[in-house]
Amino acid sequence: DAGITQSPRHKVTETGTPVTLRCHQTENHRYMYWYRQDPGHGLRLIHYSYGVKDTDKGEVSDGYSVSRSKTEDFLLTLESATSSQTSVYFCAISAGTGVYALHFGNGTRLTVT
Amino acid sequence: DQQVKQNSPSLSVQEGRISILNCDYTNSMFDYFLWYKKYPAEGPTFLISISSIKDKNEDGRFTVFLNKSAKHLSLHIVPSQPGDSAVYFCAASSESGNQFYFGTGTSLTVIP
Repeated sequence: DAGITQSPRHKVTETGTPVTLRCHQTENHRYMYWYRQDPGHGLRLIHYSYGVKDTDKGEVSDGYSVSRSKTEDFLLTLESATSSQTSVYFCAISAGTGVYALHFGNGTRLTVT
Repeated sequence: DQQVKQNSPSLSVQEGRISILNCDYTNSMFDYFLWYKKYPAEGPTFLISISSIKDKNEDGRFTVFLNKSAKHLSLHIVPSQPGDSAVYFCAASSESGNQFYFGTGTSLTVIP
């Protein structure tokens, strides 16, 4: 395992509720990513971070925000959850791009009712 | 627009035969390509990669081929085993960028 812990592993929440997912790494990697996986869409990037307090949007960032106040932690927040945000969310880390692989956590299954 | 494409959603292969999974990309700036394997209820796991300076990389039963002129890569699994049944994702990145781009995945079933 690449030393990535996602919490919670499962969550059910109601529409309109704020939700925060946590990713914790023990590898001291610079890059951290949040992806969502949906049938027919594969893995789509939500947000990523290239350092403490340095974040940027991915292709499906609407409705999500992130924060990285420490190297080891990357938080994903759904400000007001909607049913379209029901998905499996994966955190991933990398030492860099170009010749480095991305390593994933085991995911958080989020259901918005 | 999808920069990395896997046009076959599924593939079935007999045990012991070769599995060939294909992937196409559109961005000529990509210089590093990766394959991931995913089992249900688990995160994707890194399988094998190839740099754009090579056209082949081999690791045991897994070989990745890169055709830069065609912007195409393929993963060969020989011989296929039932434990290889999973969803396979290809991904691409560039040293000048910060992102990894993924295809939509191919579900491989190896029939005993």
